[in-house]
Amino acid sequence: ILNVEQSPQSLHVQEGDSTNFTCSFPSSNFYALHWYRWETAKSPEALFVMTLNGDEKKKGRISATLNTKEGYSYLYIKGSQPEDSATYLCASDQKVTFGTGTKLQVIP
Amino acid sequence: NAGVTQTPKFQVLKTGQSMTLQCAQDMNHNSMYWYRQDPGMGLRLIYYSASEGTTDKGEVPNGYNVSRLNKREFSLRLESAAPSQTSVYFCASGAVGSKPQHFGDGTRLSIL
Repeated sequence: ILNVEQSPQSLHVQEGDSTNFTCSFPSSNFYALHWYRWETAKSPEALFVMTLNGDEKKKGRISATLNTKEGYSYLYIKGSQPEDSATYLCASDQKVTFGTGTKLQVIP
Repeated sequence: NAGVTQTPKFQVLKTGQSMTLQCAQDMNHNSMYWYRQDPGMGLRLIYYSASEGTTDKGEVPNGYNVSRLNKREFSLRLESAAPSQTSVYFCASGAVGSKPQHFGDGTRLSIL
């Protein structure tokens, strides 16, 4: 992996469903991995900063895990709500390179 | 709690005109960044400044110049605007090591 890659690009889920998406990043010279939530017409807001292999962070219904050896992080949303609809960005610390994001739409 | 302040919020330019986008942060961060956001492209780094007095190119620096005026302020200049520079521009600060970035509200720039 040379760049930060996110999948899927977009996702539609029903309210109440749980979902997850992936961020892949260069595992060499790893320092930190950032997750952001970006609502339409607003600016990105930081969710998590992860630095340690095996790290797991949680904020309400949203959690994230980190595997620095294989270069990936998962973001999980439990019981999705319409207000979770946003683009979720991840960024590696190498010049804070961003992935293109996963656009989540939660259907009521 | 001002955080990161960008001005202007909107601007329309004609091809060939110049303008400067202003960014200021009040969080005493060393690092500041300029990104552009285009549909399907996510956020792309234009320039960044790791500390006062230093600037470095990011992924898409062509057609732009920056000035780190002091620790608080980091400006982005378009010397001769082109339609390809129509975009939403975000300034951010922070993100040294494990610190997250704080973003301004963005500047929507249209070049005709």
